[in-house]
Amino acid sequence: EDKVVQSPLSLVVHEGDTVTLNCSYEVTNFRSLLWYKQEKKAPTFLFMLTSSGIEKKSGRLSSILDKKELSSILNITATQTGDSAIYLCAVRLSGYALNFGKGTSLLVTP
Amino acid sequence: NAGVTQTPKFQVLKTGQSMTLQCAQDMNHEYMSWYRQDPGMGLRLIHYSVGAGITDQGEVPNGYNVSRSTTEDFPLRLLSAAPSQTSVYFCASLAPITDTQYFGPGTRLTVL
Repeated sequence: EDKVVQSPLSLVVHEGDTVTLNCSYEVTNFRSLLWYKQEKKAPTFLFMLTSSGIEKKSGRLSSILDKKELSSILNITATQTGDSAIYLCAVRLSGYALNFGKGTSLLVTP
Repeated sequence: NAGVTQTPKFQVLKTGQSMTLQCAQDMNHEYMSWYRQDPGMGLRLIHYSVGAGITDQGEVPNGYNVSRSTTEDFPLRLLSAAPSQTSVYFCASLAPITDTQYFGPGTRLTVL
């Protein structure tokens, strides 16, 4: 059975801290791994990773895939209260469907 | 370009009632899907479609029907609502060039 596991499930940090969110997967026919940010509405797309070792970066957020370890990390530096959200990791298999992890709930306190 | 739209935003049903959640996209995407999101469970795939006239089941299809008569629309039907179907429902479509899914705003459904 295909599985996507995120850790930690929840996290509380202070503004300015750096956080690392983890996503590991056990799937057949891996095609890509995606990260989404979800506030009180629909998930919004952050990154798509297909190749191992290549970092994707957008402002204070970055992500990298390790195909050997079957995992990915999402880093957020200099966190702000606006980063508070649920971060979802999803793996796309051979078709088009996404297999989601349960998410990491991040709270950034002032 | 409205992206992916869903109606209604909120709905309350009684057990046994039926209803249709509407989803439409104006980006000419072939692939569309429906997910439900429950607390602590992430998003789970209900049904998906790879084009007009073609649909298939996802992880949790029981109690739901779909059809895809046009590229734009992908409605989700609840045949006989049950309290276990209380959830937030998201429709999504796939952008073929970037290979990423874009989500609608969601429908919060409560079944009493």
